[in-house]
Amino acid sequence: GDSVTQMEGPVTLSEEAFLTINCTYTATGYPSLFWYVQYPGEGLQLLLKATKADDKGSNKGFEATYRKETTSFHLEKGSVQVSDSAVYFCALSRNQAGTALIFGKGTTLSVSS
Amino acid sequence: EPEVTQTPSHQVTQMGQEVILRCVPISNHLYFYWYRQILGQKVEFLVSFYNNEISEKSEIFDDQFSVERPDGSNFTLKIRSTKLEDSAMYFCASSPEAEKLFFGSGTQLSVL
Repeated sequence: GDSVTQMEGPVTLSEEAFLTINCTYTATGYPSLFWYVQYPGEGLQLLLKATKADDKGSNKGFEATYRKETTSFHLEKGSVQVSDSAVYFCALSRNQAGTALIFGKGTTLSVSS
Repeated sequence: EPEVTQTPSHQVTQMGQEVILRCVPISNHLYFYWYRQILGQKVEFLVSFYNNEISEKSEIFDDQFSVERPDGSNFTLKIRSTKLEDSAMYFCASSPEAEKLFFGSGTQLSVL
């Protein structure tokens, strides 16, 4: 069945460092891909999405490119801030209303000043 | 900004007891979901709900689980007879359309 695999955390970085969180997926058809973020004490929030191959999703300085050939959707940010400390979840969807999002385990990012 | 509200934030119960987890979705949303995350594991889909009926459910969502939208605003998840392995963070979500999910902050359920 469909699945998402994320790199294990925690990821610990200094402020202004470059961030990569790897995500690969297994799916039939052409899923949409997402990154969700969960700040402490809050619910999951959509960070960015891409709906087809070679699309790049971006938001708040974060980017991810839908790579069909490598079945990947890695999250990157050029310069992290302390406020980026959170849990990041990669997910896929089969593009039908009311159907499940399939999530990865989540990767905890901790940024220190 | 509208948000999905879940209550309680923490729930402790004895094994075998019934629990009801409550959610108030965003008011104009049409699709409702429950997910859970056992500590250290993936966020797992449980069930989706549309037009007053279940539209999809996972293998986890067995006869011990049920969902209801009793009054047009609340969306509840009931576990009839809790087991130790039901201990998890339970997330409610709602969406106005496919894929654009808005999540609540979760209910941490501890079964003793």
